[in-house]
Amino acid sequence: QQQVKQSPQSLIVQKGGIPIINCAYENTAFDYFPWYQQFPGKGPALLIAIRPDVSEKKEGRFTISFNKSAKQFSLHIMDSQPGDSATYFCAASGEAAGNKLTFGGGTRVLVKP
Amino acid sequence: EADIYQTPRYLVIGTGKKITLECSQTMGHDKMYWYQQDPGMELHLIHYSYGVNSTEKGDLSSESTVSRIRTEHFPLTLESARPSHTSQYLCASSELGHSQFFGPGTRLTVL
Repeated sequence: QQQVKQSPQSLIVQKGGIPIINCAYENTAFDYFPWYQQFPGKGPALLIAIRPDVSEKKEGRFTISFNKSAKQFSLHIMDSQPGDSATYFCAASGEAAGNKLTFGGGTRVLVKP
Repeated sequence: EADIYQTPRYLVIGTGKKITLECSQTMGHDKMYWYQQDPGMELHLIHYSYGVNSTEKGDLSSESTVSRIRTEHFPLTLESARPSHTSQYLCASSELGHSQFFGPGTRLTVL
């Protein structure tokens, strides 16, 4: 049973566009929601993370929106650049889950020049 | 500089060989993890450790084994490699809270 569902699987935008990636979770015990960015041949790198006590968090051009009642969260990449082309993974964890991360299936983002 | 290292980065090996994938971190993290990932696909947790002499199996069944004799070192061993073990293996570590930091990965190909 996939506890974190991520969509879409792939996304193509023009430079300057705003790719939006959505994730939905089932386990209400989750209380930490990070996003990771992965380039080909590299390990995932932590991008930004949010806890359920806030509805939005911004770091540079990356914004997480969080909807606790809907059990959904999303990543927006503002003013996207070709260098943002990568695979993005959402994840969730909580103390009740042993603080292990449960990952979504990933979204491959391509930003065209 | 604090970091997490994996060696080798690439390994091509024949069926039946024993292999050990190395993972070391210099951050003093108690928690360490091994994930298996096919290229561009989701990550599957195969082993984790919350400290020295503590190891647990993850969500995805794996024929590999791990050990945690030192805080900084978390090697993964396959006693008899098979083509089905071909994948990328990622090591990660974390301390307080939940943020996990990943190594660069080992790309394993079993012929």
